[in-house]
Amino acid sequence: AQKVTQAQTEISVVEKEDVTLDCVYETRDTTYYLFWYKQPPSGELVFLIRRNSFDEQNEISGRYSWNFQKSTSSFNFTITASQVVDSAVYFCALSELDMDTGRRALTFGSGTRLQVQP
Amino acid sequence: DGGITQSPKYLFRKEGQNVTLSCEQNLNHDAMYWYRQDPGQGLRLIYYSQIVNDFQKGDIAEGYSVSREKKESFPLTVTSAQKNPTAFYLCASSIQPQPQHFGDGTRLSIL
Repeated sequence: AQKVTQAQTEISVVEKEDVTLDCVYETRDTTYYLFWYKQPPSGELVFLIRRNSFDEQNEISGRYSWNFQKSTSSFNFTITASQVVDSAVYFCALSELDMDTGRRALTFGSGTRLQVQP
Repeated sequence: DGGITQSPKYLFRKEGQNVTLSCEQNLNHDAMYWYRQDPGQGLRLIYYSQIVNDFQKGDIAEGYSVSREKKESFPLTVTSAQKNPTAFYLCASSIQPQPQHFGDGTRLSIL
């Protein structure tokens, strides 16, 4: 079973529309971290946000906002008034403690490609 | 500015050849990682290192090798045993559990 599921493979919107990218995760760890990264066409991964499992406060950063709900194991990402520059692949990732190796592994979802049309 | 430098940006491998991808960081991070990304997919962990002279296999280590002789450097060798090496390779570093910082990646292709 996938630990991080991004069910939306590709989303296309028109500029100025709001768009929400879904992320559902699965873990037995009680202390874990969730991340969102952006991968523009150039390929590098850009960190957007980190959330720990004890902080369910939603966060807003400019046009970006995140909704963390432990009850549904979801960490959704909304872009308000989307712009062409938002076009990229967005990855959700989970950091949990691997009890076998003792390492804090980072597991990525398969990504959602967002296309913002002018 | 501090960051992670991966080189080369593009790399071509002949059949039966080993190639080494470079990753250098000046962020003073203890942990370093190598990921592989295939088209339309997420990242999969190849190897990671939490301290100098120590490294562990990730989920897809077969056909790859690494070394960590210096804190700043974590080179990845793609050996001839890796039968499908064409992919985008990303190096990262972090101070756990802080976010991982990523390099710009190396795109490896087979001639």
